[in-house]
Amino acid sequence: EAGVTQFPSHSVIEKGQTVTLRCDPISGHDNLYWYRRVMGKEIKFLLHFVKESKQDESGMPNNRFLAERTGGTYSTLKVQPAELEDSGVYFCASSQGQGGGSPLHFGNGTRLTVT
Amino acid sequence: AQSVAQPEDQVNVAEGNPLTVKCTYSVSGNPYLFWYVQYPNRGLQFLLKYITGDNLVKGSYGFEAEFNKSQTSFHLKKPSALVSDSALYFCAVRDGPARQLTFGSGTQLTVLP
Repeated sequence: EAGVTQFPSHSVIEKGQTVTLRCDPISGHDNLYWYRRVMGKEIKFLLHFVKESKQDESGMPNNRFLAERTGGTYSTLKVQPAELEDSGVYFCASSQGQGGGSPLHFGNGTRLTVT
Repeated sequence: AQSVAQPEDQVNVAEGNPLTVKCTYSVSGNPYLFWYVQYPNRGLQFLLKYITGDNLVKGSYGFEAEFNKSQTSFHLKKPSALVSDSALYFCAVRDGPARQLTFGSGTQLTVLP
C-alpha cells in the first residue's frame, strides 16, 4: 500500500508570507494527525482529524495556523503569516483505528524554513 | 497529563554489542507505549508497542522493549547492534485510546563499526 505522502518536502519562505502544506494519508485511514518538531526538540502534537472533523486541535499554537480536511481525504495545513519560530519539520500521520494500540503511520515530513 | 522522558540525547555503541535506549513515562491511567525510529530525511517508522500482556515486547529489526510498571520505564533494547541501526529513536505514550500520542525528545543512536 502507498504510505503517507507529504508535499512539499522542503519550503523556504520569508517572514510574513503564507505557506500551505499538504498531506495525503493512507487510503482508508479515517484518522489524520499533524505534528511538528522544532529546533531538534520533541515532536509536538498539533491536531487530529477523524474523517473531515477536527477531533482535537489543542496543540495548534495560534490562529495563524489553519488545518482543513475537506471530504475526509487529504489535509492541508496553512501558516499565515509565517513567523521565524514556525521553522521546523511538520509531520503528518494517519491511522486506521482510533484504539489506543493503533500505531501511527508517518509521512517523510515537510521541512519549513522561515527567514 | 502525559509525558515522556528520554534522558540521553546521544547513545554510542560498538557493532555487535548490546544496546539500550532509555525511556520513562508519566500517565494518569494505563499507558500505551510505542517506539519509533527515524532515518535521515525520512518519516518516523513504527518499531513496536506495549498495550497489555507480557512485559517484554518484540518488534521490527530485532528490537525489543521491556515494560516496567514500578519504574515507569519502557527501554528499547537489541542484543547485537548493527551499523545500520544508527538513527534517531523516539519513545511515545498515550494514556487512553482517544488521547493523542506524546513523544519524547529523541535519542540519536550511533553504532560504531
